[in-house]
Amino acid sequence: EPEVTQTPSHQVTQMGQEVILRCVPISNHLYFYWYRQILGQKVEFLVSFYNNEISEKSEIFDDQFSVERPDGSNFTLKIRSTKLEDSAMYFCASTRAIQETQYFGPGTRLLVL
Amino acid sequence: GQNIDQPTEMTATEGAIVQINCTYQTSGFNGLFWYQQHAGEAPTFLSYNVLDGLEEKGRFSSFLSRSKGYSYLLLKELQMKDSASYLCAHSIYYGGSQGNLIFGKGTKLSVKP
Repeated sequence: EPEVTQTPSHQVTQMGQEVILRCVPISNHLYFYWYRQILGQKVEFLVSFYNNEISEKSEIFDDQFSVERPDGSNFTLKIRSTKLEDSAMYFCASTRAIQETQYFGPGTRLLVL
Repeated sequence: GQNIDQPTEMTATEGAIVQINCTYQTSGFNGLFWYQQHAGEAPTFLSYNVLDGLEEKGRFSSFLSRSKGYSYLLLKELQMKDSASYLCAHSIYYGGSQGNLIFGKGTKLSVKP
């Protein structure tokens, strides 16, 4: 059964450093999302991406964040200058159509020191 | 605004039935999802309602009343492996939103022998 994959599974970085989180959505899916979950808190929407551009972004997704689909399979989230409060689990999700189920990847646990 | 409420914790006995309630306020409603999340793992899809009524899927059922902004997840024949957090989420689709999910804080279910 196809699934969303994410790399790395864990990332430790120093405050101020740039990180790139990678996702490979399910191959026939058209809509892509990034969510984050700070430890012990709820899953929060960051950004949606469709047709090679951002569809919507939340207040969390400020100028330090960017997304890219550099080729036909990868979908990346970049944090330019990490802050301590960026420490969280980051989930990528994809779906074939807006009305359909979003499938989540296993997540990348980011720790900013 | 968007708001979802669900109980923080519940406890039930193996083999029993448990109902997890969820209420929501939103505009541009596009469906109500239930996800299961084990600690440290990604949300996994359980059930989806877009119309009023009951959706049954094996041991899991979900109910939706759009007029009341209310849903519940029913788990039957509880097993120890059902101990997890259950996330209620609604999908919005208005003003350019591409179906991003708004999650509740989750209900942590503990199943005891």
